[in-house]
Parts: sequence; structure tokens; C-alpha cells
Amino acid sequence: GQQVQQSPASLVLQEGENAELQCNFSTSLNSMQWFYQRPGGSLVSLFYNPSGTKHSGRLTSTTVIKERRSSLHISSSQTTDSGTYLCALPRITGNTGKLIFGLGTTLQVQP
Amino acid sequence: NAGVIQTPRHKVTGKGQEATLWCEPISGHSAVFWYRQTIVQGLEFLTYFRNQAPIDDSGMPKERFSAQMPNQSHSTLKIQSTQPQDSAVYLCASSSDWGVDTQYFGPGTRLLVL
Repeated sequence: GQQVQQSPASLVLQEGENAELQCNFSTSLNSMQWFYQRPGGSLVSLFYNPSGTKHSGRLTSTTVIKERRSSLHISSSQTTDSGTYLCALPRITGNTGKLIFGLGTTLQVQP
Repeated sequence: NAGVIQTPRHKVTGKGQEATLWCEPISGHSAVFWYRQTIVQGLEFLTYFRNQAPIDDSGMPKERFSAQMPNQSHSTLKIQSTQPQDSAVYLCASSSDWGVDTQYFGPGTRLLVL
């Protein structure tokens, strides 16, 4: 099954509304990473978040290691926040630190 | 710092042709990763190099796909006899440490096989 599950799959907001994106992991984790991808664009790292809460502007990431979940909160959304938000789990086995990605949450913020 | 550089940004090939994709990691990064992104499968790991040595190619299709890292400044992903199902965005990422550091992604190469 999917090791990284994201919800919701898609979300439509009016500008100014808040968003809460969820990421759940079926395996134990030591760290995880949130990315943002604009349509047709590259992945931009938002947070590398081993545990706890981190803030960056209007974004807040909260990861609870023992509960195998992480959330991304977007406050006062703007149209420029539209795109896909991906969470990823590093699978560290041996010498490999490959990332296992969720399928993403596609966010559309309407003016 | 120019970030991870990938060329070409777009490539169109005919079925059966060969495609070579290039990646230049961030200078000083020891780990280089290749991923593939499709709408159906999402982002999937392909292969990984550390200090130029191939470490994990568990995500690579067994046939037609190969990757190399001849020096610390570039890696290539080669697809022989391309098929329409190879159409995808191929992403390269690098990090300064294989397991505990952020991975930085390039813009990707969008491959279309007709």
C-alpha cells in the first residue's frame, strides 16, 4: 500500500481562507519534507521537518513523529499559493536516503 | 548558486529512439538522485549516486534504462528504445548528505515519446 498518504487530494479556496493539508505515513519516520510545485514547475522545498512545528511566513508545518503524521497549514491564502503540495518520507536503508512521495494535494485559490 | 541544472528542459523522441538526459548537481553535493513524475504514478524514485558511485537503482526499469555519473559535476540518465509509456518528467535532485539533508530538485526534463 501507499506509504505516504496525503489528504485532501484537491482543495479549492477563496483568497484569504486558510488551508490545512495532511500527510500520514504507514511506516515509522525520522524526518519528512514538504515541497511545493507550481504547474509545470520544479519542486521547491518548503520544510525539512524532523519533528515539532516550524514556521515560514504564512506556512506552518507540524510533524508528530510518534503518530506518523504531518500537517501543513496555509494562512490567509493567496492566488499565488495555487499549485501542488507534496510531502515526502526519506527511506534510509543502508546508504540510501531516497524520498517516497505522496500523490500530493492540488490547491486552487480563487480571487 | 545556480541550483540543480537539467538539460534539455523538453525532449520529444520517436518510439524506438534513444534519449539522454543530463543533470548537473549543486556544487559540493555528494548525493544525486533521479526521480520520474507522471500524473498516474506521481513521483517515483529511480536511482541514486553517492560520491559518483551507484548505490541504489531499485527504482530503475530493468531494461532500457541506465544511469551514470562519470564525474562529480554531472550525471546522465539514458533511455534506449524509448516507448510511449516512458513519457514523463524526469527530475534530478542533489543533497549534501545522503540521508539527513534536504534534497534540492532541478526543473526536470519533460520527455514525450510519440
